Amino acid sequence: GQQLNQSPQSMFIQEGEDVSMNCTSSSIFNTWLWYKQEPGEGPVLLIALYKAGELTSNGRLTAQFGITRKDSFLNISASIPSDVGIYFCAGRTSPISSNTGKLIFGQGTTLQVKP
Amino acid sequence: DTEVTQTPKHLVMGMTNKKSLKCEQHMGHRAMYWYKQKAKKPPELMFVYSYEKLSINESVPSRFSPECPNSSLLNLHLHALQPEDSALYLCASSQPTGKGNEQYFGPGTRLTVT
Repeated sequence: GQQLNQSPQSMFIQEGEDVSMNCTSSSIFNTWLWYKQEPGEGPVLLIALYKAGELTSNGRLTAQFGITRKDSFLNISASIPSDVGIYFCAGRTSPISSNTGKLIFGQGTTLQVKP
Repeated sequence: DTEVTQTPKHLVMGMTNKKSLKCEQHMGHRAMYWYKQKAKKPPELMFVYSYEKLSINESVPSRFSPECPNSSLLNLHLHALQPEDSALYLCASSQPTGKGNEQYFGPGTRLTVT
């Protein structure tokens, strides 16, 4: 079946550092989404990407839809303690015009930030 | 407003109990989803409703029974669950097609089966 390989699995960084994580697949995706989940809460949508090569920012977060359509990355600049959580990538292989597609999730990147 | 609400927040039930989880959204979305999530794992899709009709059932055991009474509400009826069904149950909603396919999640119901 379709799989998303998300890396790294976990990161422990110092406050102020930049963070980068990515998702790759052998399949072509038409949509990439990045979510953050904090303990005891549901995933919160951070960024949505719909076109190959698209680069989108949301505050200190920047995500890109890979040119090959088989990968995406998320960068967090100048990390702060509240960035702690699990970050999931999710992708959809079906066209955005289709109502039958499912989201495929990566395994998540656990981020810990040391003040 | 991108809010999806879920009740209850926590639920403890025995293996012979019958209970229901509830989800509500007022974003005008016409697709709603149930996911199951184990600790430190990604959400696993269970059911999808599109325009109030069940469109995807991911081979979920019949002890889980979904219901979509209207476009804003989604229920998950639980009966004769097993301890391994203990998990965080997440509801999500989206528009069925187009860029609105972005899924918005609720806070989840933490279910413990004893």
